[in-house]
Amino acid sequence: SQQGEEDPQALSIQEGENATMNCSYKTSINNLQWYRQNSGRGLVHLILIRSNEREKHSGRLRVTLDTSKKSSSLLITASRAADTASYFCATDGNDYKLSFGAGTTVTVRA
Amino acid sequence: DAGVIQSPRHEVTEMGQEVTLRCKPISGHDYLFWYRQTMMRGLELLIYFNNNVPIDDSGMPEDRFSAKMPNASFSTLKIQPSEPRDSAVYFCASSAGQGHPEYFGPGTRLLVL
Repeated sequence: SQQGEEDPQALSIQEGENATMNCSYKTSINNLQWYRQNSGRGLVHLILIRSNEREKHSGRLRVTLDTSKKSSSLLITASRAADTASYFCATDGNDYKLSFGAGTTVTVRA
Repeated sequence: DAGVIQSPRHEVTEMGQEVTLRCKPISGHDYLFWYRQTMMRGLELLIYFNNNVPIDDSGMPEDRFSAKMPNASFSTLKIQPSEPRDSAVYFCASSAGQGHPEYFGPGTRLLVL
């Protein structure tokens, strides 16, 4: 069963613009992770944020976590064509298994 | 490190045939995961191992599916007999443990005719 739910399902932006996608989950978590998947490839880990953290940065990526609202957001700044991919959030609770959402498909137009 | 290695990358087989997918995790990782990805169902965890021992196989769809991890550097996922609804991309991933990222292989694209 999917714990995380991404929103929106799809996003189309112009190169150079920012892209924001959200993830909501239902039960308490230890960590939340974001992954990227390019077409026909495996998932690539982007960033991990622990339940006691509120914000984390990695290059052009910014992730926030609000455990009171059970939600997270991923911001990609100054998007590039290479950012075209599907983005997934994944949560883990006490049983360690990661639960992935259905993903947000991001298209960056040149 | 070469990352997680999966073979074959593509497999086309006929219904009823046995299919074996292979995975070599990243050296030093204690956890190994098998996932299946389809458009309809998204990414599903089938089974995962810790130190070569299967911990949770609740995601294995039915008895036709089996997975083994005979040693720390090799795992197999077998489907016998295969059916058209098994067509999907199967991913193997490995991790150093909870709170660490999972590293995915390139996947095996399986088509059962």
